[in-house]
Amino acid sequence: EPEVTQTPSHQVTQMGQEVILRCVPISNHLYFYWYRQILGQKVEFLVSFYNNEISEKSEIFDDQFSVERPDGSNFTLKIRSTKLEDSAMYFCASSRQGTIEPQHFGDGTRLSIL
Amino acid sequence: ELKVEQNPLFLSMQEGKNYTIYCNYSTTSDRLYWYRQDPGKSLESLFVLLSNGAVKQEGRLMASLDTKARLSTLHITAAVHDLSATYFCAAYSGGGADGLTFGKGTHLIIQP
Repeated sequence: EPEVTQTPSHQVTQMGQEVILRCVPISNHLYFYWYRQILGQKVEFLVSFYNNEISEKSEIFDDQFSVERPDGSNFTLKIRSTKLEDSAMYFCASSRQGTIEPQHFGDGTRLSIL
Repeated sequence: ELKVEQNPLFLSMQEGKNYTIYCNYSTTSDRLYWYRQDPGKSLESLFVLLSNGAVKQEGRLMASLDTKARLSTLHITAAVHDLSATYFCAAYSGGGADGLTFGKGTHLIIQP
């Protein structure tokens, strides 16, 4: 069964550094998402992306965050200047037809900011 | 702003028993999702409920949606240890916004 793949599985970064989290969505999916989950807490929506542009973003997704689909397969989340509170598990998800089908989640990247 | 509340947040039950997890949401939503998460793992889609009165079943799990009451339930029948996990419900707020709003999750432990 096709999967959403994310790399790296764990990223350790010094505060203030830039980090890029990478995702390869399922190949025939058109809608892409990033979520985060702080340890022990609920999953929080960050941003959705469709047709090569952001379709929605949450309050968490401020100017230090950006997303890109640099080619036909990758979908990246960049955090420009990391803060301690950015430490979380970041999940990429994709869906074929928006909200009438489930969003399929990757295994996540655990981001640790020191 | 859409809010999603689950209860209970923690549930310990014995194998063979039945139980229901409740998911209430604060504003109109006609799409409700249930996910399962094992410790340290990703979220696995269980059910997508797309209309009022929708009922879906998979094995020992059955989910339903009442959009008028803004309530979805996840019913567990004759629980087995393998169903131990955290279960999240998530709602879609609509209006062109397609990010899901998740509840805090129900941490379910099923003991032999």
